[in-house]
Amino acid sequence: RKEVEQDPGPFNVPEGATVAFNCTYSNSASQSFFWYRQDCRKEPKLLMSVYSSGNEDGRFTAQLNRASQYISLLIRDSKLSDSATYLCSTTSGTYKYIFGTGTRLKVLA
Amino acid sequence: SAVISQKPSRDICQRGTSLTIQCQVDSQVTMMFWYRQQPGQSLTLIATANQGSEATYESGFVIDKFPISRPNLTFSTLTVSNMSPEDSSIYLCSALTHATNEKLFFGSGTQLSVL
Repeated sequence: RKEVEQDPGPFNVPEGATVAFNCTYSNSASQSFFWYRQDCRKEPKLLMSVYSSGNEDGRFTAQLNRASQYISLLIRDSKLSDSATYLCSTTSGTYKYIFGTGTRLKVLA
Repeated sequence: SAVISQKPSRDICQRGTSLTIQCQVDSQVTMMFWYRQQPGQSLTLIATANQGSEATYESGFVIDKFPISRPNLTFSTLTVSNMSPEDSSIYLCSALTHATNEKLFFGSGTQLSVL
């Protein structure tokens, strides 16, 4: 079993829609969780950290479910510019970041 | 966020040759790492670059194939040695810095194609 798993998608959604991605992790000792955004042929960029109580940044909401070992990312009012691949990541050990394969999102006009 | 400069941005190399990728961070660095991302795959950690000592390699990666240097806190190199077409990939330098509150940031990557 992979340490971090994501549905590769693509998720095709119309502009203005709400879309959610989940990411499961296998290491129950994982302590930190993140969502990264990666545009085509670009490096991953940190979108947001995921806190135990859940957190929101504008149209983006991240949540953590430790009991079921998954994190989620909710995007409201999708924009064309949100089209990208979204990578989830956890830390295994102090600073070792493990990444999922990413979920592709296409927002359609 | 920290600025991580990586070069070259891309290269096309012949089988059997070696390529050295450079990474420079503009702020005080806690840790530096090298990742590989093959087409359609996730980021795979190659190694942790340790300042002044040998890098710590992940399973499946060895020093003879991917020698890494880190002569100071803000600079590291990764060499892909004796390349084969299977080494074609994007190689990414990354760092944790105090400026980034210890979150992981990436350089712009090196797109390597081996013929």
